[in-house]
Amino acid sequence: GAVVSQHPSWVICKSGTSVKIECRSLDFQATTMFWYRQFPKQSLMLMATSNEGSKATYEQGVEKDKFLINHASLTLSTLTVTSAHPEDSSFYICSARDQVQPYEQYFGPGTRLTVT
Amino acid sequence: SQKIEQNSEALNIQEGKTATLTCNYTNYSPAYLQWYRQDPGRGPVFLLLIRENEKEKRKERLKVTFDTTLKQSLFHITASQPADSATYLCALAGGSYIPTFGRGTSLIVHP
Repeated sequence: GAVVSQHPSWVICKSGTSVKIECRSLDFQATTMFWYRQFPKQSLMLMATSNEGSKATYEQGVEKDKFLINHASLTLSTLTVTSAHPEDSSFYICSARDQVQPYEQYFGPGTRLTVT
Repeated sequence: SQKIEQNSEALNIQEGKTATLTCNYTNYSPAYLQWYRQDPGRGPVFLLLIRENEKEKRKERLKVTFDTTLKQSLFHITASQPADSATYLCALAGGSYIPTFGRGTSLIVHP
């Protein structure tokens, strides 16, 4: 089946610094990638949708200047959390979708971000 | 506003029994509904998809039903095993193919 990887799997950073998370589709071309955030015992909340080569579409309430998304190729999307604060600590998960099966999303293993 | 409800209380069952999880929704006309499995500290894994015009779908020990009149889906795991213990997420999507997720129900299968 389709595989999506994320790197790093966990990261601890100091308040005020920026962190970049990578999401890669390993064996298929992902025309669309999604970024989610999940707090403990909560549902996945969609942050933004990115299509290869175009600007990301952010959900209401998500600051696009704080959460920078780049989808430069059909296999790579990055999420940069700029000037991170403790309240940004969360589990960030990406997913990818190919053109052939738009119903199916393949999720990465997630990245645990802790901001101290 | 759109709402997806899954039982927040964990479901505890004995090994070998059938686990049944419920997903109810309001203010939504989904084109399809999906069920995912999520283990602690991991991303969700897709299990089954059922379309609005389908009543039931099966895959090995899994069965999903979809009642658009009741606005409810039931997810069954037959002959449950301790390895089935996880959180199960329900997700609904319309024509945009972008699913909205419920909070999930934790299933604990006791040996």
